[in-house]
Amino acid sequence: QKEVEQDPGPLSVPEGAIVSLNCTYSNSAFQYFMWYRQYSRKGPELLMYTYSSGNKEDGRFTAQVDKSSKYISLFIRDSQPSDSATYLCVVNVDTDKLIFGTGTRLQVFP
Amino acid sequence: KAGVTQTPRYLIKTRGQQVTLSCSPISGHRSVSWYQQTPGQGLQFLFEYFSETQRNKGNFPGRFSGRQFSNSRSEMNVSTLELGDSALYLCASSSQGEGTEAFFGQGTRLTVV
Repeated sequence: QKEVEQDPGPLSVPEGAIVSLNCTYSNSAFQYFMWYRQYSRKGPELLMYTYSSGNKEDGRFTAQVDKSSKYISLFIRDSQPSDSATYLCVVNVDTDKLIFGTGTRLQVFP
Repeated sequence: KAGVTQTPRYLIKTRGQQVTLSCSPISGHRSVSWYQQTPGQGLQFLFEYFSETQRNKGNFPGRFSGRQFSNSRSEMNVSTLELGDSALYLCASSSQGEGTEAFFGQGTRLTVV
């Protein structure tokens, strides 16, 4: 069993839609939960991180963590074509050893 | 502030050869981590260096090695290249290595033929 499971997609939505991206993880020792975005031919960039259960909002993005069910979500409101990228959920304990999900490819069409 | 710089961007090598990849972290960052990204396995952690010491290592064979210099620049070496080593190699830097502020470079695309 992989430590982080993520639906690879691809997910195709129209502009303005609400997007829901999800991951599950297996190890309750994980303390930090992150979402990275990776555009084609680029390195991943950090979108958001949290270390507790609950919601964290940043503009059109909301990250949600449920530690009891080991479930991580990212919601994107009013999605834009510029949001088209691969979204990676990431967990770790407290070091730079990041454990990545396989990524979900998102396509937002005008 | 300059970002993480990886050189070269693209590399083609032959099976059996060795290769060295370079990573210059963001100024002031002391932690450098390396990852391998392939379509089948996604991003996998190779190793992390902090203040010239390897602090963490992933599950890769000994052919994969690295080092960090006193100016925090890091190199990764792969010896006896195999076809399966073809991948995008990404370097990430952070100031303290806590994992919540890692900045990635654009990667080195290695193709082994």
